[in-house]
Amino acid sequence: ETGVTQSPTHLIKTRGQQVTLRCSSQSGHNTVSWYQQALGQGPQFIFQYYREEENGRGNFPPRFSGLQFPNYSSELNVNALELDDSALYLCASSDKDRAKEKLFFGSGTQLSVL
Amino acid sequence: QKEVEQDPGPLSVPEGAIVSLNCTYSNSAFQYFMWYRQYSRKGPELLMYTYSSGNKEDGRFTAQVDKSSKYISLFIRDSQPSDSATYLCAMTIYSSASKIIFGSGTRLSIRP
Repeated sequence: ETGVTQSPTHLIKTRGQQVTLRCSSQSGHNTVSWYQQALGQGPQFIFQYYREEENGRGNFPPRFSGLQFPNYSSELNVNALELDDSALYLCASSDKDRAKEKLFFGSGTQLSVL
Repeated sequence: QKEVEQDPGPLSVPEGAIVSLNCTYSNSAFQYFMWYRQYSRKGPELLMYTYSSGNKEDGRFTAQVDKSSKYISLFIRDSQPSDSATYLCAMTIYSSASKIIFGSGTRLSIRP
């Protein structure tokens, strides 16, 4: 059974640029959630995708968007990057068809915006 | 006021000590409570998952939920240097994992 994998592990961008982060979900999971974790803070929910449809969104602006593919892998896109977007971006996969759904996280992508 | 409050620490204890980590919350609708462990440069790892008030034990770890006080705890017995990490409490209203709310994490260090 493979775990959740994220790419790239690190990324440096400049303000105003666009970025795409990728996530492969754990085998057997149909749901991907994305979280932003600023330094010294807990993860904050960005959005969740279930069977290729958005299934909930946190308090993030529309320049944060996502996709889920038929194989349940996912992308997070951020447009018009701002300095405050610098953070660890975490992807978590789960099986929403099970009771008491549990999240399993990848190691994250560390994004630095200069 | 944040929905979930957690003391950021750092907390430093000697090896073998009992560790107590705590969170308080303001939303009485929360029903599902979790503790995650996060090592440096890694994603959070689920340690404990509980529903409703009471205690749940798993090896050296005990999770405690007191809904009347809106207070949850994680106890670590016989602490080991490998337990050194940041511990995040998390909670949600529904059994679905949508919109889990995390605390800010407590940094724990176990001294050999």
